[in-house]
Amino acid sequence: AQKITQTQPGMFVQEKEAVTLDCTYDTSDQSYGLFWYKQPSSGEMIFLIYQGSYDEQNATEGRYSLNFQKARKSANLVISASQLGDSAMYFCAMRGPNFGNEKLTFGTGTRLTIIP
Amino acid sequence: SQTIHQWPATLVQPVGSPLSLECTVEGTSNPNLYWYRQAAGRGLQLLFYSVGIGQISSEVPQNLSASRPQDRQFILSSKKLLLSDSGFYLCAWEDEGEMNTEAFFGQGTRLTVV
Repeated sequence: AQKITQTQPGMFVQEKEAVTLDCTYDTSDQSYGLFWYKQPSSGEMIFLIYQGSYDEQNATEGRYSLNFQKARKSANLVISASQLGDSAMYFCAMRGPNFGNEKLTFGTGTRLTIIP
Repeated sequence: SQTIHQWPATLVQPVGSPLSLECTVEGTSNPNLYWYRQAAGRGLQLLFYSVGIGQISSEVPQNLSASRPQDRQFILSSKKLLLSDSGFYLCAWEDEGEMNTEAFFGQGTRLTVV
């Protein structure tokens, strides 16, 4: 079974600084996908970025990048030049191939607070 | 374009009362559907997952059940609510068969059992 671990329950970061949110995963599959979602206080889930296990390049989407280290089974989210609007819960998730691990499984999340 | 509707947005129910939360998806066919629950300030717990009509896997044994009577309709139910059923319930859909597809979430239902 696959498992996602986010070890940082909460983080406080000064505005305009870069922040790294940790995510490690455990799977026996060779093919899998990794996702990051943002959840503001309103509760909606906003998709941020995706990384495939066979992607050679780290994924980037605007200010978001994913530091993918396959051998260490880590997929950390990096937010550059943080903004007050980045304050939210952040969830790492993964999906395996079909036949058992295809469900999207989430970690426990990290609450990020940006300090002005 | 695809949209997902989830209702109601908030619900206050007494212990022992029944529950029915509904989720519908428009603009796609044969989606995979999910029900998640989020306790206050906590992560997302996968409750039910469905790949087709009548095909539902239960991830956590409890007093909740799910049904998929139509391709794009997913219902979460309980016959008798417990205090521990309080939380934020999220429905989500994704395209079937694609590993890199993101899941799209509804606005959520905040359930308080009193």
